[in-house]
Amino acid sequence: SQTIHQWPATLVQPVGSPLSLECTVEGTSNPNLYWYRQAAGRGLQLLFYSVGIGQISSEVPQNLSASRPQDRQFILSSKKLLLSDSGFYLCAWSVTTLREQFFGPGTRLTVL
Amino acid sequence: AQKITQTQPGMFVQEKEAVTLDCTYDTSDQSYGLFWYKQPSSGEMIFLIYQGSYDEQNATEGRYSLNFQKARKSANLVISASQLGDSAMYFCAIEGGKLIFGQGTELSVKP
Repeated sequence: SQTIHQWPATLVQPVGSPLSLECTVEGTSNPNLYWYRQAAGRGLQLLFYSVGIGQISSEVPQNLSASRPQDRQFILSSKKLLLSDSGFYLCAWSVTTLREQFFGPGTRLTVL
Repeated sequence: AQKITQTQPGMFVQEKEAVTLDCTYDTSDQSYGLFWYKQPSSGEMIFLIYQGSYDEQNATEGRYSLNFQKARKSANLVISASQLGDSAMYFCAIEGGKLIFGQGTELSVKP
């Protein structure tokens, strides 16, 4: 069966520090991969998605970036965090578009 | 552009009763998918049910059913026989290339 992992689970970082969140998927090949952010009490906002290694589409221009160095690995990064980057970050995978996405456990990021 | 509207910020239901969570959508695509997700307080997003735009039958998954009315562009979630563990945020979403979520409905099940 397929599983999706995210780490770390929680993170507290100072403003201006770098960020690296990792997501890995097991049990499937060539998945579509997604990064979402959820502000408190709000719906999810798609940040990036990837249909293959090295292929990244950005949905929201900001100080975040994403990379897919391996088929089942998706990384969310920032060189300098802002206060507004605080939130709950969720990684997801799907077999294809127009079908369900399966989410990881999430990373709760607090920028102070 | 696609849009999901969930007009019920919060809902209460008595344990063992059925509840309907509303969802309307807007899209110009002919082919799309509609989804419901559950998010308990732990934060994980749990996939519940899927309805394709060309599916003529309403989707069902155990106690969950999706009341799909294409002409009205609605995709309401019906939970039968509510349980205390159903208390959570529920999100409706539409997929037509990317997944767009509504703002969610917080469901509270009373014993």
